Amino acid sequence: EPEVTQTPSHQVTQMGQEVILRCVPISNHLYFYWYRQILGQKVEFLVSFYNNEISEKSEIFDDQFSVERPDGSNFTLKIRSTKLEDSAMYFCASSEASAGAGGYTFGSGTRLTVV
Amino acid sequence: AQTVTQSQPEMSVQEAETVTLSCTYDTSESDYYLFWYKQPPSRQMILVIRQEAYKQQNATENRFSVNFQKAAKSFSLKISDSQLGDAAMYFCAYGIIQGAQKLVFGQGTRLTINP
Repeated sequence: EPEVTQTPSHQVTQMGQEVILRCVPISNHLYFYWYRQILGQKVEFLVSFYNNEISEKSEIFDDQFSVERPDGSNFTLKIRSTKLEDSAMYFCASSEASAGAGGYTFGSGTRLTVV
Repeated sequence: AQTVTQSQPEMSVQEAETVTLSCTYDTSESDYYLFWYKQPPSRQMILVIRQEAYKQQNATENRFSVNFQKAAKSFSLKISDSQLGDAAMYFCAYGIIQGAQKLVFGQGTRLTINP
């Protein structure tokens, strides 16, 4: 079964450093997403990406965050200057069409720890 | 804005018994999707079941079924013949069809299975 692949599975970084979280969505999917889950809390939408541009972003997704699809397979989330409160599980997801019509598949997540 | 509420932070059930997890949501849309996701200790997000709002028939996937009450904006998950492997966090989610197709999640219910 096709999977969304995220790397690394766990990253530790110092406050103020830049991090790039990487994702390989399912190949025939058109929509790409990043979600965040702070430990013990609910999963929160960060950003959606379609046709090589951001289609929607949440209030969390401020100027410190950016997304990119540098080639035909990767989808990245960059945090420019990490803060302690950025520590969370970050999930990449992709969908074939609208959220329910096709497979909406999550990756296994990257656990980001900012120290 | 759409919201999803899970009023049961924790639930427990005896192995082989049936348990129902509650979820309510708020939306002004008429077309949308609803989901239940399972999150085991590994923190991966696993789709359990999906319901299209335009379908009156409740979705079923093996031991998992939903009770979808559109007028009441209620979407509960019933797990029959509970198994030890069902122990996890369960998140209810609402999928917006138009626009970014993002998912809005509830706060989650931690399900414990007692042997």
